[in-house]
Amino acid sequence: DIQMSQSPSSLSASVGDSVTITCRASQDIGISLAWYQQRPGKAPKSLIYAASSLHSGVPSKFSGSGSGTDFTLTISSLQPEDFATYYCQQYNTYPPTFGQGTKVEIK
Amino acid sequence: QVQLVQSGAEVVKPGASVKVSCKASGYTFNTYGISWLRQAPGQGLEWLGWISPYNGNTNYAQKLQGRVTMTTDTSTSTAYMDLRSLRSDDTAVYYCARVGDVFDSWGQGTLVTVSS
Repeated sequence: DIQMSQSPSSLSASVGDSVTITCRASQDIGISLAWYQQRPGKAPKSLIYAASSLHSGVPSKFSGSGSGTDFTLTISSLQPEDFATYYCQQYNTYPPTFGQGTKVEIK
Repeated sequence: QVQLVQSGAEVVKPGASVKVSCKASGYTFNTYGISWLRQAPGQGLEWLGWISPYNGNTNYAQKLQGRVTMTTDTSTSTAYMDLRSLRSDDTAVYYCARVGDVFDSWGQGTLVTVSS
């Protein structure tokens, strides 16, 4: 299975800050990379697919980049509703696998 | 809009089985696959398997082979996941998700607690 690793595991930021989360795949996955947001007690929500394409209805404050093995998610101008856990996921090869998550907390 | 509504929480004894349902609406059911995933308490997301409502084809996670069966009822646009021989480490929130390229819509989750 392809291993996905995210860094950092958690971060603290203030409202209005921008943050970047990194995701690394154990082998080349092209751009078959998705990002999800999960608020406490809620189901995950799709943010980005194909490494950089925004899911319908997702604000442009979220942006993704990367290809091959290294990817990033950037969230600009953090608002209270953005404090959540973010997961990357590869869908290049079965089985689909997820990173361990990055918890974005309020400083 | 696309909606996936799952059945309610379950408490089951070790060794027993559980069947979770996922009713879809807002799209043509047999044109998208359904995946099942789970999240143990305080843990990350684990993919369990996939089913095509169109032809019933399935693909299960290797670690669950022999314990899981996924089915669909196209007449009611409902997907089901049956998990057998439950153990304490199967305690988790179970999600269904519609599969385009990615998991683009999710059910609300079903907490399954395995406890004697």
